[in-house]
Order: sequence, then structure tokens, then C-alpha cells
Amino acid sequence: NAGVTQTPKFQVLKTGQSMTLQCAQDMNHEYMSWYRQDPGMGLRLIHYSVGAGITDQGEVPNGYNVSRSTTEDFPLRLLSAAPSQTSVYFCASSYRNTNTGELFFGEGSRLTVL
Amino acid sequence: DQQVKQNSPSLSVQEGRISILNCDYTNSMFDYFLWYKKYPAEGPTFLISISSIKDKNEDGRFTVFLNKSAKHLSLHIVPSQPGDSAVYFCAASDITGGADGLTFGKGTHLIIQP
Repeated sequence: NAGVTQTPKFQVLKTGQSMTLQCAQDMNHEYMSWYRQDPGMGLRLIHYSVGAGITDQGEVPNGYNVSRSTTEDFPLRLLSAAPSQTSVYFCASSYRNTNTGELFFGEGSRLTVL
Repeated sequence: DQQVKQNSPSLSVQEGRISILNCDYTNSMFDYFLWYKKYPAEGPTFLISISSIKDKNEDGRFTVFLNKSAKHLSLHIVPSQPGDSAVYFCAASDITGGADGLTFGKGTHLIIQP
């Protein structure tokens, strides 16, 4: 069972470079989101989507873009990487209405910006 | 302003004893609460949740208690096992199903000692 797949798992960038973190889910979930995890900060929501063609900002959206052209994919774009974006990024998905509120997370993408 | 607070960064418990992880929240609009467990280099996985209309939810060794008047919830693990050693995140949502994003606490690192 693939679940939520994130690529790449590791990436090193130089300041100013751009890149895209990929996220795909095969569970036909309407809802997808991106979080970042920093030491001592927990998980913070960057962007989310409640369906194809619909995206919205979370708590820390600056410096990131997202799009949702299909139900399965929700890429996160860093337009001009900064050292402050060094973090572990998690993609998550769920059904729009769940009984438990459960989110399914990918394994994470560790990004270092030099 | 942190809306979900886990004030204990770490907790050490002997194997076989009870582990109690605490979480406080400030947003009165939160009506759904979840606990996630995270091992190193893996994504968080859902553990247990509770709706604000309940004060207790149980699943095997895991029980979550909710005190709405105190804006406090706790996760009890009985008995604690070595595999329970992980970081536990408390999360909250103001829409059933977490569809528009969960607000996470900073996490508590639980260490189960043999």
C-alpha cells in the first residue's frame, strides 16, 4: 500500500534556488496539506487543499506555492529558497469528512538550504 | 500565540507503568482533538481522537480524556511498552475531520525505560 508518497526524501539547496517537493496519494482523499516540522516548533501548516483546483494558505505560507490539478498530487514549490526554509516537510491527506479526523502522513522530505 | 500547548518536552516512564501525556488548548472553537505518534525519520501516525461531545475515548492501551471546562486533554498509555517510545503530538481542529488543517502542539518525547 503506497498511501502518501513524498519525493525527494533529502535535498540540499543553495540560497535562491527553486525546487518542488512532490506529494502523491492513492487513497482518493479530497483533502491534502503540507506541514513543516522544526525543532521545538511542532508541525505547522503551510498550505492545504480541499479538492482539485482549490488551495488555501495555512499558518506559514510565505515563500511557498502550491497547486492541485489532480486529486492525487499536491506539489509544494519553493520559489527562492532561504536558510529559514531548512526543515522537514510532511505531506498529509484525508477524506473531507472523517469520523476520527485522521490525517495520513508521508514519510517526510528533509530540506537543507545553505 | 500557541493555541495547543504541550508543556513537557520529554517524559520518562518505566516499562509496565502508566504514561500520562498532557495537552492544553486556548481556542474555544476547537471541537476535535487527536493524538499522533512519531518515530524518528518517519511521518506522524494517528493514534486516537476525541470529539468535544465526549470526555473519554478508549482504544486498547490508549485512553484520551477531555476536560472542556479546563481546556485540557490527556493521553494515558497503560501499560507502557518499549515500542511506545516516540514523540507524541497533540492536535486540534475546529472543523470535524480536520479538513482545514490541524493545529499541533510542539510534542512530548516519551521514553520508556526497561
